[in-house]
Amino acid sequence: NAGVMQNPRHLVRRRGQEARLRCSPMKGHSHVYWYRQLPEEGLKFMVYLQKENIIDESGMPKERFSAEFPKEGPSILRIQQVVRGDSAAYFCASSPLQGPVNEQFFGPGTRLTVL
Amino acid sequence: QKEVEQNSGPLSVPEGAIASLNCTYSDRGSQSFFWYRQYSGKSPELIMFIYSNGDKEDGRFTAQLNKASQYVSLLIRDSQPSDSATYLCAVIGVAGTYKYIFGTGTRLKVLA
Repeated sequence: NAGVMQNPRHLVRRRGQEARLRCSPMKGHSHVYWYRQLPEEGLKFMVYLQKENIIDESGMPKERFSAEFPKEGPSILRIQQVVRGDSAAYFCASSPLQGPVNEQFFGPGTRLTVL
Repeated sequence: QKEVEQNSGPLSVPEGAIASLNCTYSDRGSQSFFWYRQYSGKSPELIMFIYSNGDKEDGRFTAQLNKASQYVSLLIRDSQPSDSATYLCAVIGVAGTYKYIFGTGTRLKVLA
């Protein structure tokens, strides 16, 4: 049973370009969470999605960032017009259900470097 | 006050000793608590979770939860050099979307 998959693992962009990060949850999981980890910092929640629905985007910057989880295909985190401060590791996690015991399983992450 | 606080460390323990990692949280309504291990440059991996007061044991790991004092801890018995990593405490707050709130992690070094 494959785990959470993310691609690309490493992404280099120049300032002003767009970055697209993909996440395929574990089989049977319908809940996807995106987190960002800045160097030497903890993980910060960005957005929580179910298929075709954004449930909680309270951690997403208001501008340039968007996320989707279509009916078919992976979840995508999109960053438009990237800036150097967007350089970070972006982790996706999935869980099989929603509830107080909400084990989330993390993918390997995408390390974004903005030049 | 941070929502979830951990001592950043590093915490150094000799091989074979017990490592004790602590985490405090500010939201009294928090429901569930998770410990993750993260090796440098890798993704977090779940060690265990706890949601009832008391102790929960899994192999060499014991999680302890005290909701009245708002802290959760992780004990690692018979520490091994391979346990050297950053340990992240994650909390699910008051009922909502079940997102994790992470502490900044404690770096553990097990000395051979």
